[in-house]
Amino acid sequence: AQTVTQSQPEMSVQEAETVTLSCTYDTSESNYYLFWYKQPPSRQMILVIRQEAYKQQNATENRFSVNFQKAAKSFSLKISDSQLGDTAMYFCAARNSYGQNFVFGPGTRLSVLP
Amino acid sequence: EADIYQTPRYLVIGTGKKITLECSQTMGHDKMYWYQQDPGMELHLIHYSYGVNSTEKGDLSSESTVSRIRTEHFPLTLESARPSHTSQYLCASSESLGLAGDRNEQFFGPGTRLTVL
Repeated sequence: AQTVTQSQPEMSVQEAETVTLSCTYDTSESNYYLFWYKQPPSRQMILVIRQEAYKQQNATENRFSVNFQKAAKSFSLKISDSQLGDTAMYFCAARNSYGQNFVFGPGTRLSVLP
Repeated sequence: EADIYQTPRYLVIGTGKKITLECSQTMGHDKMYWYQQDPGMELHLIHYSYGVNSTEKGDLSSESTVSRIRTEHFPLTLESARPSHTSQYLCASSESLGLAGDRNEQFFGPGTRLTVL
């Protein structure tokens, strides 16, 4: 069974600085998909970025990028030039290529400070 | 554009009432999910469906029930609400893997925040 771990319950960063959120996972599958979701306070959960395990190149979406280390089963999220609107809960999630369900980590609460 | 809707957004009811939380999606996704989430906490999968007439219980035991009579609709029912059911309920949907290229993520609704007095 897959498991997803986020070891940082809370983090803070100054506006315009860079922050990295950690995520590790465990799976016996050879192909799978990894995601970072953002849940702002009292707002809808939205996808930030996705990574397919068979792609070696790290995914990038504007200020958001990942550091995918397949051998180490690590999938960290880097937020550059942090903005106040980045304040949210961030969830790391995994989905294997055969299963239908998603496994979520416990989340990291990120606060961007002015 | 992700179109997944939940109603009501907020609900306050008394103990013992029967309630149904509605979830609908217009994306034609065959897979749908219900999560329970206390504010600012982790997600717990309580029900999922792989398609019409298919429903399964999730990882977290729940006294709620679900039905999937139509692809787009996945309501969750509590026969007799209790204060311990107070929480946020998130509905989500996804495509089957292998279809439509990269769109293999889950899409989430806005959630229903339930308070049982």
